[in-house]
Amino acid sequence: GNSVTQMEGPVTLSEEAFLTINCTYTATGYPSLFWYVQYPGEGLQLLLKATKADDKGSNKGFEATYRKETTSFHLEKGSVQVSDSAVYFCALSANAGGTSYGKLTFGQGTILTVHP
Amino acid sequence: NAGVTQTPKFQVLKTGQSMTLQCAQDMNHEYMSWYRQDPGMGLRLIHYSVGAGITDQGEVPNGYNVSRSTTEDFPLRLLSAAPSQTSVYFCASSPGSLQPQHFGDGTRLSIL
Repeated sequence: GNSVTQMEGPVTLSEEAFLTINCTYTATGYPSLFWYVQYPGEGLQLLLKATKADDKGSNKGFEATYRKETTSFHLEKGSVQVSDSAVYFCALSANAGGTSYGKLTFGQGTILTVHP
Repeated sequence: NAGVTQTPKFQVLKTGQSMTLQCAQDMNHEYMSWYRQDPGMGLRLIHYSVGAGITDQGEVPNGYNVSRSTTEDFPLRLLSAAPSQTSVYFCASSPGSLQPQHFGDGTRLSIL
């Protein structure tokens, strides 16, 4: 079956530090990959996506590259801000000889806290 | 544009009670899903629907029922609440397969 593994958290950084959150996946077919962000008390928001190998998704200074050879989709940001404090989820949507029916498989989430 | 609207935001139930979590979307999306979020486990799919009149089970369907009589609405029913169903529930919709999903703000449910 499909699965997503994220690095263990929580992650605590100082403002302007470099961020990496690791994500690896197992999937049948050719998955689309996503990073979602959840701010306190809110639902999940799409942060970025990539739909095929070597695609780079980017948004709000965050980037992630779809690496088929290492089955990875690591999230990076060069300089984090206090406002980036949130929970980050890696997810995939995979076809299996048909359609994914819009189903997502999520990692367990990584809590990021950024201090001034 | 309201997007995905969930009600109620908070609910406390006693074991054995039943209730319905409401979900409505105004984006004319065909695909809708229900997830539960538990600490350290990410989100897990409960039920999903690919259109009005069509539903199917996800990863953790036991204890929950769904129906989809219209494109807009996708209610989740707990028939006999159990403490193990204490969780945060999210409804989501998407315009098609492999497309990003739009999430509601969630319903925080406690079963005593």
